Amino acid sequence: GQQVMQIPQYQHVQEGEDFTTYCNSSTTLSNIQWYKQRPGGHPVFLIQLVKSGEVKKQKRLTFQFGEAKKNSSLHITATQTTDVGTYFCAGLDSNYQLIWGAGTKLIIKP
Amino acid sequence: IAGITQAPTSQILAAGRRMTLRCTQDMRHNAMYWYRQDLGLGLRLIHYSNTAGTTGKGEVPDGYSVSRANTDDFPLTLASAVPSQTSVYFCASSDKDTDTQYFGPGTRLTVL
Repeated sequence: GQQVMQIPQYQHVQEGEDFTTYCNSSTTLSNIQWYKQRPGGHPVFLIQLVKSGEVKKQKRLTFQFGEAKKNSSLHITATQTTDVGTYFCAGLDSNYQLIWGAGTKLIIKP
Repeated sequence: IAGITQAPTSQILAAGRRMTLRCTQDMRHNAMYWYRQDLGLGLRLIHYSNTAGTTGKGEVPDGYSVSRANTDDFPLTLASAVPSQTSVYFCASSDKDTDTQYFGPGTRLTVL
């Protein structure tokens, strides 16, 4: 079946370092969405990318959608403690079902 | 109510018991979903409903049933709970125009 692979599973960074998570789909996606789940919380929608090659920014977060609409990335510049959590990508497939990546957990080293 | 609510917040249940997790949304969204999230894992879709009166099976439907009698409510029933159903359960809803999903706070279920 259709899959969205997300890597890495975990990333440990020092506060102030950058963080990147990647998603790759086996098929072309209609759109890709990104969600953040704080520890003990529920997933919260961050952004949706629709167009091939699209780049969107939210303050220190940069989201990209690949030219072939099969891959996406989320990059956080200069991480802060408030960035801690798990970041999920989810791609909308041709059947209008949302296929979720397994998430990347961002951990700030003490 | 503002958004999407779930009840109970948490529950400890004996194996073999029947349990219904409740989910209500007030956003008039057409689609609703049930996910389970196990420690260290992502979200797995159990059942979904694209509109009131219809339901569909997700990735892990066995042992669960749902109903969608109206737009607002989407209960999830475990007919005879087993320990492997210990998990955090999230309900979500989405508007068909955006496909963005809005999640409830979750129900933490422990089956002993």
